[in-house]
Amino acid sequence: ILNVEQSPQSLHVQEGDSTNFTCSFPSSNFYALHWYRWETAKSPEALFVMTLNGDEKKKGRISATLNTKEGYSYLYIKGSQPEDSATYLCASVDRGSTLGRLYFGRGTQLTVWP
Amino acid sequence: EPEVTQTPSHQVTQMGQEVILRCVPISNHLYFYWYRQILGQKVEFLVSFYNNEISEKSEIFDDQFSVERPDGSNFTLKIRSTKLEDSAMYFCASRPPQSAYEQYFGPGTRLTVT
Repeated sequence: ILNVEQSPQSLHVQEGDSTNFTCSFPSSNFYALHWYRWETAKSPEALFVMTLNGDEKKKGRISATLNTKEGYSYLYIKGSQPEDSATYLCASVDRGSTLGRLYFGRGTQLTVWP
Repeated sequence: EPEVTQTPSHQVTQMGQEVILRCVPISNHLYFYWYRQILGQKVEFLVSFYNNEISEKSEIFDDQFSVERPDGSNFTLKIRSTKLEDSAMYFCASRPPQSAYEQYFGPGTRLTVT
């Protein structure tokens, strides 16, 4: 079982603040790292899938980086808006998995206050 | 945009009863998954399914659990004799053939065992 950890567990920021959170995962046998955005009562929404060391991905105000050698990924949100309030989940995939079984962290719950 | 759907959104059942959770994956997807999240814990993998066979299963997925794709559109998870500790949010996910990574999640079924 892969141990994926996320920090912080929760975060409260003001509208307009930039924020970031961390996902750490085992670096050995690494295959891919997923970030999901999950709002209550909705489907978790895929944000990024990253596979290569040094990968950087961007979607609007949200970006992510990946370091596979040390086993961590950062998610950044620039100029947070109330609609960014959600739980952000990361999940790692091990090279040994046949269909890409996801190992999730506990998530970071972000609340953006207007 | 196509999406994964799940029914029911909430199911309450008594301990010892059988339940069937239903999922309709995105139509051209070939790989299917079930995950669950017990309140306060990580989302955890149950099973992956391809070509009408289980590809991988976790230690949670014991003889009380089974999956089926009965008609080419639905993907079901059956729990034969529910226990209190089966209470959780159950998520279905599917993946298209052209993607090695991205899994698309449904909104989940909240199962409450009393």
